[in-house]
Amino acid sequence: GESVGLHLPTLSVQEGDNSIINCAYSNSASDYFIWYKQESGKGPQFIIDIRSNMDKRQGQRVTVLLNKTVKHLSLQIAATQPGDSAVYFCAENSGNTPLVFGKGTRLSVIA
Amino acid sequence: ETGVTQTPRHLVMGMTNKKSLKCEQHLGHNAMYWYKQSAKKPLELMFVYSLEERVENNSVPSRFSPECPNSSHLFLHLHTLQPEDSALYLCASSDWGQKETQYFGPGTRLLVL
Repeated sequence: GESVGLHLPTLSVQEGDNSIINCAYSNSASDYFIWYKQESGKGPQFIIDIRSNMDKRQGQRVTVLLNKTVKHLSLQIAATQPGDSAVYFCAENSGNTPLVFGKGTRLSVIA
Repeated sequence: ETGVTQTPRHLVMGMTNKKSLKCEQHLGHNAMYWYKQSAKKPLELMFVYSLEERVENNSVPSRFSPECPNSSHLFLHLHTLQPEDSALYLCASSDWGQKETQYFGPGTRLLVL
C-alpha cells in the first residue's frame, strides 16, 4: 500500500549547526505535505507545509524542500537550538485520507 | 483554555476495566479525530468525525467506542482492552474543508495491564 516513511530514525547535531531531516513518500497523487514536531509529553505541532506545485517553502529558521521526481521531502532547520530537540514527522495528504504520517525522526541537539 | 485539551493525561487500567478518554477543542472546528501512537510506528488514524457524524472507522476493534456529542467534544470509550492497546492516544481537530491542517492535543498515555 501507499506509505510515508523516514530515512533515519535518529539524528544528532551540534547546537548551531544546520539539521536536515528526510522523508520519502510513495503516493505520487499526494498534493500536500506537512512537517510536524512532537516534543516529549506533547502532541504533534504543525511546523510548515508545502503543496505539490512548489518545490521550496521557507519559514522562520525552517525550510521544506519537495522533490516530486524522486518523491522526497526534507526539512532543514537552520542554527539548530536545544529547543529543537524533538521527534519530527512528515505527513502527506492525497485527498482520500486526511493525513498519512511517517514514523518520525528523533532529533537530538548536542550543546 | 485554548487549542485542544485531553484528559486524563495518563491512565492505567486493567483488561476488565471500562474507562473513557475525553477531548475538547476550543478552535471552532467541525471535525475531530482519534489517533493511536505506538512506539516505532506511524500515527494510526482510528476515527474521524465531521459535524458529529462518524465518517471514518479504520478497522478499529469494537473494544474502542467513540462518541461525539457535539463539535467541541470527543470521547473514546474503552472496554476490555488488551496490553497491546497500550499507547499514546491523540485527539486532533480541524475544519472539515481543511482536514489536512489538524491541531493535536497533548495525548493520553494509556497503559493496559
